[in-house]
Amino acid sequence: DAGVTQSPTHLIKTRGQQVTLRCSPKSGHDTVSWYQQALGQGPQFIFQYYEEEERQRGNFPDRFSGHQFPNYSSELNVNALLLGDSALYLCASSLIDDDNEQFFGPGTRLTVL
Amino acid sequence: SQKIEQNSEALNIQEGKTATLTCNYTNYSPAYLQWYRQDPGRGPVFLLLIRENEKEKRKERLKVTFDTTLKQSLFHITASQPADSATYLCALDGNTGGFKTIFGAGTRLFVKA
Repeated sequence: DAGVTQSPTHLIKTRGQQVTLRCSPKSGHDTVSWYQQALGQGPQFIFQYYEEEERQRGNFPDRFSGHQFPNYSSELNVNALLLGDSALYLCASSLIDDDNEQFFGPGTRLTVL
Repeated sequence: SQKIEQNSEALNIQEGKTATLTCNYTNYSPAYLQWYRQDPGRGPVFLLLIRENEKEKRKERLKVTFDTTLKQSLFHITASQPADSATYLCALDGNTGGFKTIFGAGTRLFVKA
């Protein structure tokens, strides 16, 4: 049983560019959450998707957008990249009714130059 | 604003001893609290979840307590081993109408052989 997978593992972009990160949830999970983790900090909640809808959003600007597909996989898009967007981006999957126990993927390390 | 505090200083202990990590929070009424382990460059791994009406929970060598009056959780690892060395994250999910998980910055634990 595959766990949560994310792609790519590493990415280097320049300021102003756009990036798309991808996540496949753990088999059987229907909810995907995205987090940004800066070095030395805890993960910061970006948003959560369930039934292809954004269910909740953290304090992130509209440059951060997402999508969930019918197979529950998800994408995170970031437009107009800033240097401060450099971080580890984590995807977590869960079941909507499972007290939010989350299974995290290995993350995508994004570097903005 | 909502705030979660974990010891920013690393905790160094000798193998076989009990490690105790602290998580304090303010301006928040969590429905439950979770502890995660994170190794460098990896995503967090779920360890334990404790609900607001539970005082204590155990799993193998792990024990979590949750005091909603003190707004504090303690996380204990008994008979610690060098393999327990990692960063431990505290996370809250609330009754406040939202579904987002708020993480602390984590405490780094080093267990010396």
